[in-house]
Amino acid sequence: DVKVTQSSRYLVKRTGEKVFLECVQDMDHENMFWYRQDPGLGLRLIYFSYDVKMKEKGDIPEGYSVSREKKERFSLILESASTNQTSMYLCASSPPYRDGYTFGSGTRLTVV
Amino acid sequence: KNEVEQSPQNLTAQEGEFITINCSYSVGISALHWLQQHPGGGIVSLFMLSSGKKKHGRLIATINIQEKHSSLHITASHPRDSAVYICAVMRSGSRLTFGEGTQLTVNP
Repeated sequence: DVKVTQSSRYLVKRTGEKVFLECVQDMDHENMFWYRQDPGLGLRLIYFSYDVKMKEKGDIPEGYSVSREKKERFSLILESASTNQTSMYLCASSPPYRDGYTFGSGTRLTVV
Repeated sequence: KNEVEQSPQNLTAQEGEFITINCSYSVGISALHWLQQHPGGGIVSLFMLSSGKKKHGRLIATINIQEKHSSLHITASHPRDSAVYICAVMRSGSRLTFGEGTQLTVNP
């Protein structure tokens, strides 16, 4: 069964901490995405990547960075966590121009 | 105005009812997805459509590109169909723009 795996289901971090959210896919997909989901705002794109070492800003990149050193792994980094980054974070991957969009099960991050 | 609008926001049905969720969008797209999210957060892609109609079990999705409108139908609804259903449009480079979702509750 093909999968997108997010390393943590629930995470609690302190304000100012550097936070790493990891995502791994086993489908050899070129595209990978990080979204956040908030009540009343829906899902919004933070960053995405079309290839190894390639990254592009989404709609809300402020306060985040990403890393894609290997095709299967896409990491989201919160350089200095703030309370307004408390959210559900979802990773996804897809092949280009074909069906197969697959989401991870999400990481619920709380920053205190 | 959001680029992707869903209606209704909330929907309560009795088991066995026929359900329709609508999605309208205002931008050019290459495809449209219908997604399902159960409590706990995980999202599953139900359909990807670029034209016409697709059917999978009791689920049917249609899209009218000219009218920029899509519908998701559930026939013979069941309590296990209770979930949030999200419409998402695919634009350049497989990026998705999402509607806010429809919370469906099916009562036994």
